[in-house]
Amino acid sequence: DAGVIQSPRHEVTEMGQEVTLRCKPISGHDYLFWYRQTMMRGLELLIYFNNNVPIDDSGMPEDRFSAKMPNASFSTLKIQPSEPRDSAVYFCASSIQGGGTGELFFGEGSRLTVL
Amino acid sequence: SQQGEEDPQALSIQEGENATMNCSYKTSINNLQWYRQNSGRGLVHLILIRSNEREKHSGRLRVTLDTSKKSSSLLITASRAADTASYFCATRMGGGNKLTFGTGTQLKVEL
Repeated sequence: DAGVIQSPRHEVTEMGQEVTLRCKPISGHDYLFWYRQTMMRGLELLIYFNNNVPIDDSGMPEDRFSAKMPNASFSTLKIQPSEPRDSAVYFCASSIQGGGTGELFFGEGSRLTVL
Repeated sequence: SQQGEEDPQALSIQEGENATMNCSYKTSINNLQWYRQNSGRGLVHLILIRSNEREKHSGRLRVTLDTSKKSSSLLITASRAADTASYFCATRMGGGNKLTFGTGTQLKVEL
């Protein structure tokens, strides 16, 4: 298996632009998580899905952030409009069981820089 | 806020030495996991220890868990330069499936 695939690996954009990050989880995994990593705040859980349904989005910072999972093999995280403080590495992870009982498999991350 | 706090924040040792990292957490847990992150890469799961376990081994890794003190430690024996990475503990708070990560320990193993 190719593992969790994220794209793009790097994105540089200007404030106000829309950003879309993409994730393909490992086939057969029914949980998908979006995390954000910054030096100041560490790893933060933004949202997670179970069987394509959003279960907990309490970590989504504000309405500018939205996430979708239209099918079992694809998820997007969208930021509109983007701001410099959104600069971070965004990770997607998937698991067979939920994070509390099973291991998470992480993608390589999408490094976002908002100028 | 972070559920887990790792200690130390940074650790530098010589190859062949043992490295010990500690994690303290705040609430009751079902299990605790340790992950490694190489620079510029995603996190990789290392080991999971359940709340009813006190110690677990995997290769050169040894993890202990003390639920009375709400703490865990990760020991890497006979460290290698390739062990240079950041190490994170992760816990689940209450019900649900949210895995919360600690602040991490940066380990540098020098030749």
